[in-house]
Amino acid sequence: AQRVTQPEKLLSVFKGAPVELKCNYSYSGSPELFWYVQYSRQRLQLLLRHISRESIKGFTADLNKGETSFHLKKPFAQEEDSAMYYCALRTQGAQKLVFGQGTRLTINP
Amino acid sequence: DGGITQSPKYLFRKEGQNVTLSCEQNLNHDAMYWYRQDPGQGLRLIYYSQIVNDFQKGDIAEGYSVSREKKESFPLTVTSAQKNPTAFYLCASRFISLGGNQPQHFGDGTRLSIL
Repeated sequence: AQRVTQPEKLLSVFKGAPVELKCNYSYSGSPELFWYVQYSRQRLQLLLRHISRESIKGFTADLNKGETSFHLKKPFAQEEDSAMYYCALRTQGAQKLVFGQGTRLTINP
Repeated sequence: DGGITQSPKYLFRKEGQNVTLSCEQNLNHDAMYWYRQDPGQGLRLIYYSQIVNDFQKGDIAEGYSVSREKKESFPLTVTSAQKNPTAFYLCASRFISLGGNQPQHFGDGTRLSIL
């Protein structure tokens, strides 16, 4: 079965430091991968998706099919980046997403 | 997204009662989804619907039921058969008809608690 693993439940870094949120998936086909973010008292929202190859709020994520990973990175963390982050996978032809367990990122001043 | 409305925000249920959570969207999205969010477990799919009058079970459908009589509405009923209903419930929707990699958009959620 398809699975998404986010190995860190909690991640704490200092402001200005680089941040990397890990995401690994298990799926043998061509995946579609997403990062969703949930800021305090806000709804879950799309941050970025691999197919767009875009940078949002300074975050990037590269799909590595060899390592089956889609890690989220930002070179210089900001306090407003503190939030809950979810990695999600959609398999080919599927209409549903499989979510990871989430990582709570805290940026310390 | 203001286009997806979940109500109520908080809901309390006595043991043995069925309760229905509302989800309405005015985005003209084709598909709608219900997730359950528990600490440390991420989001788990309960049910989803791609078109009106059709829906499929997700990974944790037992103790839940849904209907999709209108495109914009996808209510979720938590029945008394659901043994551990206390959770945060999220509704989502997305376009299918536009094709491509359309993302899901989420509502604000409903927190259900057992009295």
